[in-house]
Amino acid sequence: QVHLVQSGAEVKKPGASVKVSCKISEYTVSKLSMHWVRQAPGKGLEWMGGFDPEDGETVYTQKFQGRVTMTEDISTDTAYMELSSLRSDDTAVYYCTTGVQYYDNSGSRVYWFDPWGQGTLVTVTS
Amino acid sequence: QSVLTQPPSVSAAPGQKVTISCSGSSANIGKNYVSWYQQFPGTAPKLLIYENKRRPSGTPDRFSGSKSGTSATLAISGLQTGDEADYYCGTWDSGLSAGVFGGGTKLTVL
Repeated sequence: QVHLVQSGAEVKKPGASVKVSCKISEYTVSKLSMHWVRQAPGKGLEWMGGFDPEDGETVYTQKFQGRVTMTEDISTDTAYMELSSLRSDDTAVYYCTTGVQYYDNSGSRVYWFDPWGQGTLVTVTS
Repeated sequence: QSVLTQPPSVSAAPGQKVTISCSGSSANIGKNYVSWYQQFPGTAPKLLIYENKRRPSGTPDRFSGSKSGTSATLAISGLQTGDEADYYCGTWDSGLSAGVFGGGTKLTVL
């Protein structure tokens, strides 16, 4: 059973960067499709990006293009999400999660996330 | 503004049945599989339903999912006070080439 444990809460100033880690246990990160989802206070879930096995590369939602970088350290089975040029509206809980995604015979995409890390609160404040 | 539309809240009495709708378009729900997540306050989301209607081990059979056209529905029967949580639908949007979620529905068990 895959288990994800994230790094602790962060407080950052506007314009700074933050790097959140997600340690994978009971499995190997290279065999997983890691994704990141964030949730602003009192708001819904927002997919930021993740590894797409169809393309063999990490894809980011357009909103975060150029500001987010998702990486993996195979030697420590740890995934990372770095967000730069932080703004106050980046204040949110950031979750790592493993994705299952593939196309079935009809071309429909199977797409779901399980399990999830416990979340990391990133607060951006001056 | 979420790509998928859910009612902000639903409520029902213990023992009753409630349904939560998730409306999308031909680019997302109409084309791809839907998943549902349950989230209690202060905790991470948990997968409840995947591939429209399949339940992972651990999800009681009181929870069921369905999809028709560009809409999906989560049904919860035999409501319990412990079911009070936020529920989110999610899928892949082939037009946006992005994962998308609904805005979430808060379930209150009266």
